[in-house]
Amino acid sequence: EAEVAQSPRYKITEKSQAVAFWCDPISGHATLYWYRQILGQGPELLVQFQDESVVDDSQLPKDRFSAERLKGVDSTLKIQPAELGDSAMYLCASSGMGRDYYEQYFGPGTRLTVT
Amino acid sequence: AQTVTQSQPEMSVQEAETVTLSCTYDTSESDYYLFWYKQPPSRQMILVIRQEAYKQQNATENRFSVNFQKAAKSFSLKISDSQLGDAAMYFCAYRRTRSNDMRFGAGTRLTVKP
Repeated sequence: EAEVAQSPRYKITEKSQAVAFWCDPISGHATLYWYRQILGQGPELLVQFQDESVVDDSQLPKDRFSAERLKGVDSTLKIQPAELGDSAMYLCASSGMGRDYYEQYFGPGTRLTVT
Repeated sequence: AQTVTQSQPEMSVQEAETVTLSCTYDTSESDYYLFWYKQPPSRQMILVIRQEAYKQQNATENRFSVNFQKAAKSFSLKISDSQLGDAAMYFCAYRRTRSNDMRFGAGTRLTVKP
């Protein structure tokens, strides 16, 4: 069964360092989402791509966060510099077309700890 | 703004029994989707069940069913014949039709006792 892949699964970094996360959506899924999930809370959308274009990045802290999906397939989320408050689970999800557009498939996430 | 509230941070159920998880939401829209997602420990979030707001009939997926009360803006999840594998965080989510924005509740941690 096709799944959303994410790496790394865990990342520990010191504050002020740069960190990057990678996501490979389900093959054929045009829409890709990055979420941040703080411990004890539900996921919050950071950025959404439709193919290679950003559709919504209104909640992305653009002074330190960036995201790209250059070829409309896999995507990278970067934080530079990392801050203590960035410690969280970063989830990637993808969705297809038609009825499947409203059904998001999630990856296992990257758990980031900033020390 | 749309908000989703899950008032039960934790719930527990005996194996083979039935449990109901609560969810309320706030919206001024009439056309939207509601979802229940399951997030097992250290595993990815998976969709349990989906309800379209225009449908009056409650969605059912095997042992999982919902009680959708549109006027009350309530969307509860019933798990029948609970199994040990049902232990997880459960998130209620709302998405307005033709919108990018999925709003999640804070989650309910379900424990299943053998």
